[in-house]
Amino acid sequence: GESVGLHLPTLSVQEGDNSIINCAYSNSASDYFIWYKQESGKGPQFIIDIRSNMDKRQGQRVTVLLNKTVKHLSLQIAATQPGDSAVYFCAEKGRTGNQFYFGTGTSLTVIP
Amino acid sequence: NAGVTQTPKFQVLKTGQSMTLQCAQDMNHEYMSWYRQDPGMGLRLIHYSVGAGITDQGEVPNGYNVSRSTTEDFPLRLLSAAPSQTSVYFCASTQRGQGDYGYTFGSGTRLTVV
Repeated sequence: GESVGLHLPTLSVQEGDNSIINCAYSNSASDYFIWYKQESGKGPQFIIDIRSNMDKRQGQRVTVLLNKTVKHLSLQIAATQPGDSAVYFCAEKGRTGNQFYFGTGTSLTVIP
Repeated sequence: NAGVTQTPKFQVLKTGQSMTLQCAQDMNHEYMSWYRQDPGMGLRLIHYSVGAGITDQGEVPNGYNVSRSTTEDFPLRLLSAAPSQTSVYFCASTQRGQGDYGYTFGSGTRLTVV
């Protein structure tokens, strides 16, 4: 079956520094991935997505990189702010339908 | 525009009791799903629906039932609550088709079974 995992469960960064959150996936046939942000007491919120025909996609202060050779995703957050403190999940689209499989999450703490 | 609305926000049940977690969306999304979130395990898919009248099982369907009589509503029923069902439950919806598949999540229901 599919599995999605994260390399580091917690990450602390200084305000203003860049953050990198990593994610490994197991299904080489997966063609769509999403990063979500979950703040305490709230539901996950869509940040950015990427399809397997892309290596990189940029949003506002966020960049997702996809390395299909090693089945690895990363989320880069530029100039990290206190409001970025949250748990970040990567999600991998299943083979059929719109099911997504989520990793366990990385907790990001921004130190002022 | 409320998005995805879940009720209740908190619930305590005794083992063996039944209850229904409500989920409603006002975005005319075809696809809806229920996830549970447990510490250290991320979100796991319970049931999903690709449209009114159509439902299917996810990764962890046992002990839960769903129905989809309208596009807007997707209730999750616990038939006989067990302590193992203590979790935070999230309902999510998305529009099918090309382009953005990103889910819109509700704010969750925190369920404790004692």
